[in-house]
Amino acid sequence: DTAVSQTPKYLVTQMGNDKSIKCEQNLGHDTMYWYKQDSKKFLKIMFSYNNKELIINETVPNRFSPKSPDKAHLNLHINSLELGDSAVYFCASSQGGTSGLTDTQYFGPGTRLTVL
Amino acid sequence: ILNVEQSPQSLHVQEGDSTNFTCSFPSSNFYALHWYRWETAKSPEALFVMTLNGDEKKKGRISATLNTKEGYSYLYIKGSQPEDSATYLCAPRRTSYGKLTFGQGTILTVHP
Repeated sequence: DTAVSQTPKYLVTQMGNDKSIKCEQNLGHDTMYWYKQDSKKFLKIMFSYNNKELIINETVPNRFSPKSPDKAHLNLHINSLELGDSAVYFCASSQGGTSGLTDTQYFGPGTRLTVL
Repeated sequence: ILNVEQSPQSLHVQEGDSTNFTCSFPSSNFYALHWYRWETAKSPEALFVMTLNGDEKKKGRISATLNTKEGYSYLYIKGSQPEDSATYLCAPRRTSYGKLTFGQGTILTVHP
């Protein structure tokens, strides 16, 4: 059973298009995250939702919009894709809430986005 | 901006060698320090979460220590095996709501 899954695994698209990446977790976690692996290979937080409520919103262009239809899903929609959006995007989830200081994040396999 | 530094950036060792690497982070507003192991073409996998100064954690041949006062953590691997080859990431957490700031990682290659 895949704990945190993302679709698609690879996404190749043209500049200017709108695309979505989906994430689902079957761990019963309350909190979900989106990270971007930048050109220097750093993993950088973009967004986090706790029980469908946005709790982290880093400095990300407003072309990026997360959507959480329920606490098991956090999708990432990107409008008007640009060349610089090419990266690997990782979804993660954690128990959140009362798990406190030791709250551990579990990562999905990543989605490699290539904008041509 | 939280400056998290890991050293060395990469490391090549022979099978059976023991090795260690460092994660440095600002010591202020510290909540927890996470270590992750990231194999090529896979997703990062949690190794340890440490919260208290002087904490030591162990998982098989891998162990970690934490010094929150001076802002560093060491990860040790005893008797490295080729399957230990991966990128080891550290990520301190400075808030209660889960935001992790990842270092660039140490890329470990263990040669048979």
